[in-house]
Amino acid sequence: DVVMTQTPVSLSVSLGGQVSISCRSSQSLVHNNGNTYLSWYLQKPGQSPQLLIYKVSNRFSGISDRFSGSGSGTDFTLKISRVEPDDLGVYYCGQGTQYPWTFGGGTKLELK
Amino acid sequence: EVQLVESGGGLVQPGRSLKLSCVASGFTFSNYGMNWIRQAPGKGLEWVAYISSGSSYIYYAETVKGRFTISRDNAKNTLYLQMTSLRSEDTALYYCARPPNWERYFDYWGQGVMVTVSS
Repeated sequence: DVVMTQTPVSLSVSLGGQVSISCRSSQSLVHNNGNTYLSWYLQKPGQSPQLLIYKVSNRFSGISDRFSGSGSGTDFTLKISRVEPDDLGVYYCGQGTQYPWTFGGGTKLELK
Repeated sequence: EVQLVESGGGLVQPGRSLKLSCVASGFTFSNYGMNWIRQAPGKGLEWVAYISSGSSYIYYAETVKGRFTISRDNAKNTLYLQMTSLRSEDTALYYCARPPNWERYFDYWGQGVMVTVSS
């Protein structure tokens, strides 16, 4: 199975600040079809996860450009700029390149 | 508006069975593969199973293979998860989630249904 490792486990940020979350996979996430199926989700308290970024760097419909994804192969990053109160929660990376699809352990974003 | 509504959860004894349902609306259900994903209390996300639009392709996590069965009824716009030989470690919030056509991520999630396995 592809193991997804997220760091840090938790992050404190001031409103208006910028943060980065790292996600590393135990194997390359480049699929045979050339796509890299690395996605990012935010789970706000008491809610279902919501898609933020798909295929490394594509923002889902309605997602602010304050969220950006980058990376390749086994090393990926989610950056959040100008953090707002609504950004708080747990962020997960996930891979869909290989079954079983797997997720990172999560990064909790809290206010400083 | 895409909606996924799960039901069928509850408290069940170890070794017993339970069947979850997920009713879909707001899109052409028969055109999309579907997934079940679970989240144990206070823990992260675990993908459980996938079924293709026409049920030709089905995949399971090793932790549930042989005990859980994913299925669908396209005429009823409904996804199912039949869970047997339940264990305490199956206690979780179960989400149904949809990937966009031919894609490998989840753009819509249900609100989840809780399954508690305990004597």
